[in-house]
Amino acid sequence: ILNVEQSPQSLHVQEGDSTNFTCSFPSSNFYALHWYRWETAKSPEALFVMTLNGDEKKKGRISATLNTKEGYSYLYIKGSQPEDSATYLCALNYQLIWGAGTKLIIKP
Amino acid sequence: GAVVSQHPSWVICKSGTSVKIECRSLDFQATTMFWYRQFPKQSLMLMATSNEGSKATYEQGVEKDKFLINHASLTLSTLTVTSAHPEDSSFYICSNQAFFGQGTRLTVV
Repeated sequence: ILNVEQSPQSLHVQEGDSTNFTCSFPSSNFYALHWYRWETAKSPEALFVMTLNGDEKKKGRISATLNTKEGYSYLYIKGSQPEDSATYLCALNYQLIWGAGTKLIIKP
Repeated sequence: GAVVSQHPSWVICKSGTSVKIECRSLDFQATTMFWYRQFPKQSLMLMATSNEGSKATYEQGVEKDKFLINHASLTLSTLTVTSAHPEDSSFYICSNQAFFGQGTRLTVV
C-alpha cells in the first residue's frame, strides 16, 4: 500500500516570512508527484506536476523540488502573504494517492 | 487536531444496491463538511457541501437524489450512493474545513 505523508500538519507563519513543508512518499513505483492548493469549499487547484528526480518548478512566489531517490518533495513559499493561507496537498502518481495536507495560516 | 475519519476505506457492492460512507470530524465540531469525488487520473471535484441540521448544497451536475447527504450532528456527515451503478465506481473523499478524510474506494460490480 502506497502511503503519502505530509508535515507539518499545520503551520502558522508571519506575513512576509518564507516557509516550506514536506511531502514524503515511497521511492519505489514513483511516476509523478502533484502539488495542489486547496481552499475550503473549493476544488483543489493544481500547482505543479513533477516527474524527474531533481526537478524544480516555480510559480510566482511558490516553488517545489523533488527527490525521487529518497522519496520527498518540498514546497516553498517566499514572502508569505495572507492570500497564501490554504491547505497544500501533495498526491502521488497518476491515480492520485493523497497526503493529508499541510494547513498554512499566514498571520498579518 | 481537526482530524477527519472516513470509512469504509474501500467497498465493493452489487449494482442496484446502496452504499453509505461515513465521515467523522474528530476533535472539531464541523458545521460544514465537504464531499468530493475523484475520477481516474483527474483531480478531486467538489460534489456537495454538507450543512449540519439543514439540506446539503450540491454542485452543478451532481444528482441530489442519487447522492444522499446527511449531516445530523456536528461530528458526522454521511454520503449514501443510492442504486449504485458501475459508473459510480470512484474514489470518494470528505473533508471538514481543514483536513481530508482517508477516502473511500467504491467499486460497483
